[in-house]
Amino acid sequence: DGGITQSPKYLFRKEGQNVTLSCEQNLNHDAMYWYRQDPGQGLRLIYYSQIVNDFQKGDIAEGYSVSREKKESFPLTVTSAQKNPTAFYLCASSTTSGGNTEAFFGQGTRLTVV
Amino acid sequence: EDQVTQSPEALRLQEGESSSLNCSYTVSGLRGLFWYRQDPGKGPEFLFTLYSAGEEKEKERLKATLTKKESFLHITAPKPEDSATYLCAGDNYGQNFVFGPGTRLSVLP
Repeated sequence: DGGITQSPKYLFRKEGQNVTLSCEQNLNHDAMYWYRQDPGQGLRLIYYSQIVNDFQKGDIAEGYSVSREKKESFPLTVTSAQKNPTAFYLCASSTTSGGNTEAFFGQGTRLTVV
Repeated sequence: EDQVTQSPEALRLQEGESSSLNCSYTVSGLRGLFWYRQDPGKGPEFLFTLYSAGEEKEKERLKATLTKKESFLHITAPKPEDSATYLCAGDNYGQNFVFGPGTRLSVLP
């Protein structure tokens, strides 16, 4: 089945630790995105990538880093510089050409600082 | 600045009571307007894409419409299983997607 897989589903981080969230897609999409969702709020863009080996900061990139070494993969690292990392993280992908441009989402990773 | 707003913030309906959700947008160079459904603890599920004013899309009890400045999601005779948060998003011509805060819909039996 084609889709987007995020792992792990739940992640616990100690203060001062870096953690990496995985996102893999087999939809052959060029573009991939990371969003953060806080309770009762909408989605805020962290980083996005339109092509392999290139990515751009979104609205709330501070304290996060990404890489895009393969088309299928777009991992997000939450660094110790992110002061309030507890949130629900969503990865998405979309095509950058053709008629259907909607984004498809993974099932999310819930990150909690302990 | 690109922005998407949604109203109401929350909506409670009785089963069978039809209503509409509103999405207003100011997105430069809008390429597409999208509706998603999100259940608690899950990723958003794609519902519709609208590309031009006057366009309509339907799926079961849901119908989405688009004008030059807003979109509506009409829910006809809703059922409790339609309870979810409905998100609206604009695509600013491939740069990224701008999401609204969502409308939390509760359908009571």
